[in-house]
Amino acid sequence: GQQLNQSPQSMFIQEGEDVSMNCTSSSIFNTWLWYKQDPGEGPVLLIALYKAGELTSNGRLTAQFGITRKDSFLNISASIPSDVGIYFCAGPRRSAGGTSYGKLTFGQGTILTVHP
Amino acid sequence: NAGVTQTPKFRVLKTGQSMTLLCAQDMNHEYMYWYRQDPGMGLRLIHYSVGEGTTAKGEVPDGYNVSRLKKQNFLLGLESAAPSQTSVYFCASSPWPQGTQYFGPGTRLLVL
Repeated sequence: GQQLNQSPQSMFIQEGEDVSMNCTSSSIFNTWLWYKQDPGEGPVLLIALYKAGELTSNGRLTAQFGITRKDSFLNISASIPSDVGIYFCAGPRRSAGGTSYGKLTFGQGTILTVHP
Repeated sequence: NAGVTQTPKFRVLKTGQSMTLLCAQDMNHEYMYWYRQDPGMGLRLIHYSVGEGTTAKGEVPDGYNVSRLKKQNFLLGLESAAPSQTSVYFCASSPWPQGTQYFGPGTRLLVL
């Protein structure tokens, strides 16, 4: 099946530290998405990746689409307290006919805690 | 422009009771989705709709029904609630299949 495995499951870091997390799959994905969920809120899209090898930044966030198309990485530089939340990777879930209709498969999330 | 809204925000049900969760979007999006979020499992797709009057099953559809009578609304129904349906439910909408999905704030459901 199209499962996504995220690691680490949780991270406790000091403000100012850099953060790295990754997402792997046994299946190929043609798109990788990274979402952040603030406590008590719905997920918000951070970065979308559409091409193998692609490296994309959004402020202090940088994400990469793995060459094998079976993994992706998210890095956060110089973390701040508002980076606290759950980070999810996600990718389009294909139907038998090959169309995803926007259906997403999510990883289980990485819980980030930042100590001031 | 409110984006995606969900009602209610929180609900407690007894086993066997029924309820309907309402999702509304004011962005004229064609695609709408219902997910459930459980600890350590990420979000899982329950049902989705590719346009007004259409619905389709997602990854975990059992025990739920949906309707999309109006383009802006997507309803999720539980006919006979079970404790296993205790979860946080999120609705999302998107203008096209590859477009960004915009999520609502969620509905927390507790089934006793």
